[in-house]
Amino acid sequence: KQEVTQIPAALSVPEGENLVLNCSFTDSAIYNLQWFRQDPGKGLTSLLLIQSSQREQTSGRLNASLDKSSGRSTLYIAASQPGDSATYLCAVNQAGTALIFGKGTTLSVSS
Amino acid sequence: IAGITQAPTSQILAAGRRMTLRCTQDMRHNAMYWYRQDLGLGLRLIHYSNTAGTTGKGEVPDGYSVSRANTDDFPLTLASAVPSQTSVYFCASSSQLWTGELFFGEGSRLTVL
Repeated sequence: KQEVTQIPAALSVPEGENLVLNCSFTDSAIYNLQWFRQDPGKGLTSLLLIQSSQREQTSGRLNASLDKSSGRSTLYIAASQPGDSATYLCAVNQAGTALIFGKGTTLSVSS
Repeated sequence: IAGITQAPTSQILAAGRRMTLRCTQDMRHNAMYWYRQDLGLGLRLIHYSNTAGTTGKGEVPDGYSVSRANTDDFPLTLASAVPSQTSVYFCASSSQLWTGELFFGEGSRLTVL
C-alpha cells in the first residue's frame, strides 16, 4: 500500500532563505505527483504537477523535482517571503487509484 | 473566475439532521471528488464520480451519499448527521479521473452537535 510521508511537519525560516520541503513515497510505480499549498481556513491550491517521466517542474520561485527510483520529491522555494507561509502538501497518483496525500509541512517565514 | 464553488462555507447542525453540501464546477471536468480533512488524519476521500450518472465509494463513504445528475454539480448528503462527521469538507475536480491535475473548492466547515 502506497504511503506518503512529509518531514518535517513544521518548519520556520527567516525571510530570504532558500528552502527545501521533502516528500517521500513507498511505491515507485507512480503516474504523477502533485504539490499543493493550503492557507489556513482555505482550500488546496495546485502548485506543480510532475509526470512520472519528468525530473522537475518550475513555476516562478518554485521548483519541484522527482526521483522515482528513490521514492522522493522535493519542493524548492527560492528567496522565501512571509507570503509563502502556508501548509504544503504532496500527493502521489498511481494509475487507477485515488491520490494519496501526505499530511503536509507547515511553513512559517518570518520577516 | 473559473473554479469550484462550495456552499455553505460553514454550518452547525444537530445530530440526526439531514444536510446537503453543494458543489458546482465550471471547468467542465469529468471527474469530481469529495474529501474530508481532519487534524492528524489528513485528507480522506469520501466519494467520487467519473462522469454524470456514475459515482463510486472512496476510503470513508459510510454515512454519506452523492449524486451526479450533470457535469457541473456534485452534492454530498449526510442522511443523519453524527458528531464524528464534524470536519472540513472539500470538493475537488479534475479533467480525468485520478490522473488529472486536481482543483479544490474553498471548503465547507461542518460542526455536528
